[in-house]
Amino acid sequence: DAMVIQNPRYQVTQFGKPVTLSCSQTLNHNVMYWYQQKSSQAPKLLFHYYDKDFNNEADTPDNFQSRRPNTSFCFLDIRSPGLGDAAMYLCATSREVLRQPQHFGDGTRLSIL
Amino acid sequence: SQQGEEDPQALSIQEGENATMNCSYKTSINNLQWYRQNSGRGLVHLILIRSNEREKHSGRLRVTLDTSKKSSSLLITASRAADTASYFCATDNTGANSKLTFGKGITLSVRP
Repeated sequence: DAMVIQNPRYQVTQFGKPVTLSCSQTLNHNVMYWYQQKSSQAPKLLFHYYDKDFNNEADTPDNFQSRRPNTSFCFLDIRSPGLGDAAMYLCATSREVLRQPQHFGDGTRLSIL
Repeated sequence: SQQGEEDPQALSIQEGENATMNCSYKTSINNLQWYRQNSGRGLVHLILIRSNEREKHSGRLRVTLDTSKKSSSLLITASRAADTASYFCATDNTGANSKLTFGKGITLSVRP
């Protein structure tokens, strides 16, 4: 089945130690998104790629970076995780940016020690 | 800034009852979408209603949209324990730099 897959499901890292979360899709969608979701809160968009074009949200900290080496894969890099970065990170895809439903992976829950 | 605001924040009902959840928003939209999120999982798209539509059905789901009041409702009929989840409305706003903006969600508990 076509889907969005995130690895790993759970990630533990140390304060300040770089961490990379990965997302892959078999939907061949143009757009890939990264969201941060903290407990009982709305998902917050960090950035998205339309094909190779990167679009950063104005309030996304510089600590968060992303790479999309090809259509299928997208990575979220957190350069120096702080305690406040502990959250669920959700990857989503859509065919186009607007007027389309988004398809989500099951997320990676990041814990910071 | 957050666009959708769901109401109530939490809802507990008996299996077989109907569940109604409301969403209000502030600016003009292209469409409004409802998503479900089971505990510890990703969001699942339920239904998309365009700004020129007033009502849409999908199985046991019924969504209405009133653009004059900037509000939407999601009705789940004959609820099941498996419907227990958080439900989010998300607005696809008009204008430059538009993006899908999620509300805080409603926690629905369906008691067996």
